[in-house]
Amino acid sequence: EVQLVESGGGLVQPGRSMKLSCAASGFTFSNYGMAWVRQAPTKGLEWVATISYDGSSTYYRDSVKGRFTISRDNAKSTLYLQMNSLRSEDTATYYCTRGRLGYYSSYFDYWGQGVMVTVSS
Amino acid sequence: DIVMTQSPSSLAVSAGETVTINCKSSQSLLYSGNQKNYLAWYQQKPGQSPKLLIYWASTRQSGVPDRFIGSGSGTDFTLTISSVQAEDLAIYYCQQYYDTPPTFGAGTKLELK
Repeated sequence: EVQLVESGGGLVQPGRSMKLSCAASGFTFSNYGMAWVRQAPTKGLEWVATISYDGSSTYYRDSVKGRFTISRDNAKSTLYLQMNSLRSEDTATYYCTRGRLGYYSSYFDYWGQGVMVTVSS
Repeated sequence: DIVMTQSPSSLAVSAGETVTINCKSSQSLLYSGNQKNYLAWYQQKPGQSPKLLIYWASTRQSGVPDRFIGSGSGTDFTLTISSVQAEDLAIYYCQQYYDTPPTFGAGTKLELK
């Protein structure tokens, strides 16, 4: 059974940093691109970043470029999102997702339960 | 960015009815190289994470009931739910993956009368 379990969320002040993790199991992690998708409270879904199966390629939405870094450790089957210079508009539930295609754009066939990040003073 | 426009934003139906949700993209999602439409549909129930229903515009994900039907091509797509059940209460999103960034529609909230 595919499982994606996020951790690391919480309350953080504007301008500070936070790192999210996603532990994957039930599939060969190193064979799949992975992505983070977020959802602000009562809002829709917004793609944040994608990383290729081997970590050699990364893609970001414009609003997080230069502030967020997506990475992975295939030996640990874990996906990360390092978030720096956080803003109030980054407040959202962050979902770890598996990309079904090996391209820079994909649909997402499995989602974690989500982790809440609240940016507030 | 490709803009995805869903309609209606919400609708109320009775159990057993058939419902249609529309999704329109600002540019064609049909790739001529493989004749596939790069369009997916998701279901998000209250308090849960999204679940993939349909990809390639009309292919059901494993385990999804056959009352969920995806159709359309180019810029206009439809999700049809036949014989709606109480468990189908959710928000439905379309998503294009033709180009980066992948973008979602604003969602359609399905409510039961």
